[in-house]
Amino acid sequence: DTGVSQDPRHKITKRGQNVTFRCDPISEHNRLYWYRQTLGQGPEFLTYFQNEAQLEKSRLLSDRFSAERPKGSFSTLEIQRTEQGDSAMYLCASSLEGPIHEQYFGPGTRLTVT
Amino acid sequence: GDSVTQMEGPVTLSEEACLTINCTYTATGYPSLFWYVQYPGEGLQLLLKATKADDKGSNKGFEATYRKETTSFHLEKGSVQVSDSAVYFCALIIRTNAGKSTFGDGTTLTVKP
Repeated sequence: DTGVSQDPRHKITKRGQNVTFRCDPISEHNRLYWYRQTLGQGPEFLTYFQNEAQLEKSRLLSDRFSAERPKGSFSTLEIQRTEQGDSAMYLCASSLEGPIHEQYFGPGTRLTVT
Repeated sequence: GDSVTQMEGPVTLSEEACLTINCTYTATGYPSLFWYVQYPGEGLQLLLKATKADDKGSNKGFEATYRKETTSFHLEKGSVQVSDSAVYFCALIIRTNAGKSTFGDGTTLTVKP
């Protein structure tokens, strides 16, 4: 078990550019979550997948954001036409299916939009 | 909606002092409760959990009791160490809500030698 990994760890981009982040969950976990964390606040839910199906999206996820999990394994989160307000830490987590299985978090990708 | 409120920080303590970080919640359904810890430069790590009323979660000398009557899950430790310096997050998951977590804003703990 190598844990949840995320790539890249840091991304600096100019406003208006597109960025894509990758998350590799723990292999036997069929649920995968994306959260966003801004300085001084706790993580906020963005979206989650069960296997390859995206089952819920937060209102925080504007139409510039898209997430995929094509084969039910790794996931990507793309932000198009980035804005300075998108600067944050993007966290990925995975878990087994069920209501009380804890989520295991990756180290996050820190995005800075200049 | 669901929400978690943590005591405002930062909290600064001397080594071997007692720690309490308050956490209260509002939930639309029956929650499971969690404390996560985030060390500098690292991701969130689960510290402890409790899944039903009156359960006590414990780990690494930390403990928290699920109090349904006061909707609270306060984190406690009898004697803190410098290595406990980190940000602590209280969180809940509603059992019927597909496991997505709702977090508090975190409490920064600094322990001085």
